Amino acid sequence: QQQVKQSPQSLIVQKGGISIINCAYENTAFDYFPWYQQFPGKGPALLIAIRPDVSEKKEGRFTISFNKSAKQFSLHIMDSQPGDSATYFCAASTGGSYIPTFGRGTSLIVHP
Amino acid sequence: DTAVSQTPKYLVTQMGNDKSIKCEQNLGHDTMYWYKQDSKKFLKIMFSYNNKELIINETVPNRFSPKSPDKAHLNLHINSLELGDSAVYFCASSPVGGVYNEQFFGPGTRLTVL
Repeated sequence: QQQVKQSPQSLIVQKGGISIINCAYENTAFDYFPWYQQFPGKGPALLIAIRPDVSEKKEGRFTISFNKSAKQFSLHIMDSQPGDSATYFCAASTGGSYIPTFGRGTSLIVHP
Repeated sequence: DTAVSQTPKYLVTQMGNDKSIKCEQNLGHDTMYWYKQDSKKFLKIMFSYNNKELIINETVPNRFSPKSPDKAHLNLHINSLELGDSAVYFCASSPVGGVYNEQFFGPGTRLTVL
């Protein structure tokens, strides 16, 4: 059972465009929603995270939008750059749980 | 100042062999993990160790066994390797004590079984 559904599987964006990746979850006990970024040949690394008590969190060009009633959250990358080309994973975890549930990942390619 | 390190980075071996992957973290974290990433990039949790005790064990074959000699190390032993074991294996660690535990991943070990 996939508890965090991520889409699209792949995304191609032109430089300067907006990249949007969506995730939906089922478990209402989830209360922490991180996004991880993975470059080729590297391990994933935390990019940005949000708690359900806020609807949006912004860090530079990266923004998480969170809709608790719809059980959805999304990552927006503004002014996308070729250096943003990577695989992005959304995840979710419950309070007290050490293990995040990962989405299946989105491969983002930003063309120059 | 590598936070989570793994050796080897690449491992090529024949079916039926036994191999080990080593992992070390210098972050002082209490919990360490092993993940398997398949060719489609899907990350699957395999094991988690907290203070040298296995706290979760997903449905992985018993050919896989984690060994933790101390809090900073979590090695992965694989017996009787099969073609389907080919993947990238990531070690990770996280602090314990808060609700929100960031996972710190190692660089990965690409295992190829021939």
